[in-house]
This record gives sequence, structure tokens and C-alpha cells, in this order.
Amino acid sequence: TQLLEQSPQFLSIQEGENLTVYCNSSSVFSSLQWYRQEPGEGPVLLVTVVTGGEVKKLKRLTFQFGDARKDSSLHITAAQPGDTGLYLCAGSTSYDKVIFGPGTSLSVIP
Amino acid sequence: EADIYQTPRYLVIGTGKKITLECSQTMGHDKMYWYQQDPGMELHLIHYSYGVNSTEKGDLSSESTVSRIRTEHFPLTLESARPSHTSQYLCASQRGLYGYTFGSGTRLTVV
Repeated sequence: TQLLEQSPQFLSIQEGENLTVYCNSSSVFSSLQWYRQEPGEGPVLLVTVVTGGEVKKLKRLTFQFGDARKDSSLHITAAQPGDTGLYLCAGSTSYDKVIFGPGTSLSVIP
Repeated sequence: EADIYQTPRYLVIGTGKKITLECSQTMGHDKMYWYQQDPGMELHLIHYSYGVNSTEKGDLSSESTVSRIRTEHFPLTLESARPSHTSQYLCASQRGLYGYTFGSGTRLTVV
């Protein structure tokens, strides 16, 4: 059974701090996506990474895909209250199946 | 601007009622999915479809059924709702191997 683990499960930080959340698996993925979900809404796609070692930046967010395509990280610089939400990673397998991680719940306190 | 629409957004119904949750997308995506999610928790796949007249059950055992008669429409039906069905239901569509586009969800409460 392929599993995606995310850490930490919960994170509460002050506005302006930096943070990193992680997504790990023992399986290799053909691509990996990160989503942010606000309470009461559906997840919104932030980025897709495809190549091992790939780094993508989206304003204050930096996404990295591990060299072996088994793990990924999301780094947020100078967090803002608007960054609050549930961050989900999802891996696509070679069998065209998408597996979601359990998520990291981030709270940024003003 | 939403390209995938779910209705209703909120629903409170009595035990034993039959309900249909609607999901429509305007992007022409072949692949569509239904997930169940408790607040702040992980998503559980309950049904998916890779095209018209194609439906499959997901990883989470569910007492619901789906149909895919048209590309844009993927409704979910509960024949007899129970309190254990109380949850948020999310519909999503996908083009090729790109990421998912999710709807805003239906928050279902069965009393």
C-alpha cells in the first residue's frame, strides 16, 4: 500500500516567521502536487512538480521535489495570516492513481 | 471563477432520506472524483470516473452510488442517509495527469 506522510500535523506560528512542511513516502511518484485548503472550501492546487530535484517558487512559497521523487517540501517565507489553511500533498503514481497525504494544518497568528 | 460546481453547499436532512449531491464541470475533463472529508482531516476517495459510462468505487467503502451519463455531470446519490454519512463531500475533475480542480464541497448533516 502506497502512503504519503506529512509533517508536522499541526503548526502554529507568528506572522513573519518562516516554516517548512514535509511530505514523505517510500514510493516513487511520477509527479507531486501541493494544495491549500481553507475551512469550508475545496483544496486549491498550488503547484505540480515533476522532475527529481526540481524547485519551484510561487511568491513566498518554495516547493522542492526530492531527487528520488519520494519526498517533497514546502517552505514559506515570512508567513502571513492569509497563509492559514490545510496544506495537502498528493502523489501521482505510474498507474495514474493519485494518493493524498493527511495534511499539515497551519495557523499563522497576527 | 469556479469551473466546477457543487450543489447544494449545505444540506441538513433526516435519517432515511434519499439525497443526490450534484457536481458539474465546464472544462471538458474526462476524469472526475468524489472524496469524503471530515473537517481538517484527510481526503478519502469514494468514487471515480474516467469518462462517460465509466464509474469505479474508491478506497473508502461507501453506501453511495454515482453515475456518469454526460462528461460534465457526476452526481452522487445516497439511497438512505444515516448520521454516519455526516461529512463534507468534495467533487474534483482532472485533465490528463495534471492536478485536480476541486469544487467548494457539500457539507452534509444527517440528523
